[in-house]
Amino acid sequence: EVQLVESGGDLVQPGGSLRLSCAASGITVSSNYMSWVRQAPGKGLEWISVLHSGGATYYADSLKGRFTISRDNSRNTLYLQMNSLRAEDTAVYYCARDREGYGDYDHWGQGTLVTVSS
Amino acid sequence: DIAMTQSPDSLAVSLGERATINCKSSQSVFYSSNNKNYLAWYQQKPGQPPKLLIYWASTRESGVPDRFSGSGSGTDFTLTISSLQAEDVAVYFCQQYYSNPSFGQGTKLEI
Repeated sequence: EVQLVESGGDLVQPGGSLRLSCAASGITVSSNYMSWVRQAPGKGLEWISVLHSGGATYYADSLKGRFTISRDNSRNTLYLQMNSLRAEDTAVYYCARDREGYGDYDHWGQGTLVTVSS
Repeated sequence: DIAMTQSPDSLAVSLGERATINCKSSQSVFYSSNNKNYLAWYQQKPGQPPKLLIYWASTRESGVPDRFSGSGSGTDFTLTISSLQAEDVAVYFCQQYYSNPSFGQGTKLEI
């Protein structure tokens, strides 16, 4: 059974940084395309970034330069480093597995809440 | 970027009746080299992550009841629930993955 468990969400001040983790079981992170998707409270879904099995990374244009996706193969864990956080980054952050690498998502974590506020 | 627009924003349907949700993309998500539409549908219940229902516009994910069906091509797509059940109350999202993924704003389905 595939399980994705996010952690690291917290209350952070504007301008601060946070690193989110997504621990996987039942799949090998390094063999899959893995993505981060976020959802602001009561709002829709927004794609953030993808890390391909081969190591290539892609980001939403609006977030490029502030967020960095990475993985630790030994821990089978995906990460999202978030810098220069703004109030509009407040959201539940989900990690998700791309189904066969195409860009739709067949497995999602339960999400971790990031709140940016002073 | 491809913008996705769903209609309606909310929908109330009686139990056992048909529910239809529409999704329109700002440009075609059909890839002629493999004859596939890069369009997916998700169901999200309160407090839960989205669940993949349909991919390639019309292929049901494993375990999804056959009352859920997807149709359409190019820029116009439809999710149909043939006979609404109580457990189908949720928000439904469409998503294109032809380019950097983007989602519709969601349609809230109620009884």
